[in-house]
Order: sequence, then structure tokens, then C-alpha cells
Amino acid sequence: EDQVTQSPEALRLQEGESSSLNCSYTVSGLRGLFWYRQDPGKGPEFLFTLYSAGEEKEKERLKATLTKKESFLHITAPKPEDSATYLCAVRGGSQGNLIFGKGTKLSVKP
Amino acid sequence: KAGVTQTPRYLIKTRGQQVTLSCSPISGHRSVSWYQQTPGQGLQFLFEYFSETQRNKGNFPGRFSGRQFSNSRSEMNVSTLELGDSALYLCASSSFRTSGYNEQFFGPGTRLTVL
Repeated sequence: EDQVTQSPEALRLQEGESSSLNCSYTVSGLRGLFWYRQDPGKGPEFLFTLYSAGEEKEKERLKATLTKKESFLHITAPKPEDSATYLCAVRGGSQGNLIFGKGTKLSVKP
Repeated sequence: KAGVTQTPRYLIKTRGQQVTLSCSPISGHRSVSWYQQTPGQGLQFLFEYFSETQRNKGNFPGRFSGRQFSNSRSEMNVSTLELGDSALYLCASSSFRTSGYNEQFFGPGTRLTVL
């Protein structure tokens, strides 16, 4: 069964304390892995797309990496405004639908 | 470029009623997908439309239906509402690429509450 698991469920960091979020997936025929950020009461905001193992993408304090079984979202020196829920999704399988993980809720304290 | 818009933003209905939600995709995007988001289940795929044709459908009962118009705008309908249908309904649009590996851009969602 196609599946996406994110860990941890929640992460509390001090401002400036770097860390990583994990997204492990089981899907046949991966056709893209996507990272989104979601603020309370809003729709997910697109961050990155990764297509193949070894690929990396960066945007400000965020860096996403991809292996054959998982992806990491590295947050370097986070700020309070980085607080949000980060969602990982994969497209693949027989239907090619987007399958989302439950997300990691990140809180960054000043 | 304007983003994905959804109307209405908030809706309160009672059990047994039906509801129609609307989505206008980003200009030039021909693919529209719908998702249901709840605290317990997270984001779950409902269906996807491209050029007025349903391409994929998730595991939801037949009470959930949708359609897409020639201008790419989409509507989804839920009939005979149940309490468990209370959720944030999200619409996402994407441009078509021959590879099909395209990111989706989400609207703000419609918050549906069923009493």
C-alpha cells in the first residue's frame, strides 16, 4: 500500500536551533516528492519538488533532500516565522494521485 | 498572477442538506484537484479533473461528486451531509506537463461545518 509517514509529529525549537524533519515513503513508481508549508486556517503553500534520489533544493533557511526511501527538510537557524505545519506528499502508484503525510508541526520560540 | 480562489470560505449546514463548493484555478492551469482535510485523517484526495474529465477519484462515497467547466473552474458537491463531513475542503490547480510530474498550488479552502 502506498504510504507517507512524517516524523516527528511535533517539533519545538529555539530560534537559531537547526534541525531536520523526516518524510519516509512507500510508493511504486515515484513521480515526484513535494514539500508544503501550511499555516493555521490556510491552504498549503508549495515549497519544493524533488524527482530523483540525490536531488537537493534550497530556499532561504530550508533545504530539501531525497533518497530512495525518504526525504529530509533541513531547517537552518530557524526564526519564529518558520512556525507552521510542514507537509510531505508523493505522487506515484497506480493512480498517480498525491498522497500526503500527516505533517510535522514546527514551533520556533524566540 | 492571481492564485487559486475558493468560494465560499465558510459554510454551515445541517445533516441531510447538500452543499456545492466552487474553485477557480490559476489562469492557464487546466488541472484541478480536490482534497478533504481533517485533524484525524490529514489531507485526503477526493478527485482530479483535467479538461472537464475526471482523471482520478479517491476512496470517498458517491455522495461526493465534482465537475469541471470549459473555463477550468470546478465545483464539488456533497449530498446528504453527515456530521463527519465537517472539514476543510481544499482545491489545488496545476499546469499540465507531458511528464505529468507537476506541483499543485492550493487555494485557501472552504471550511464546512455540519450541525
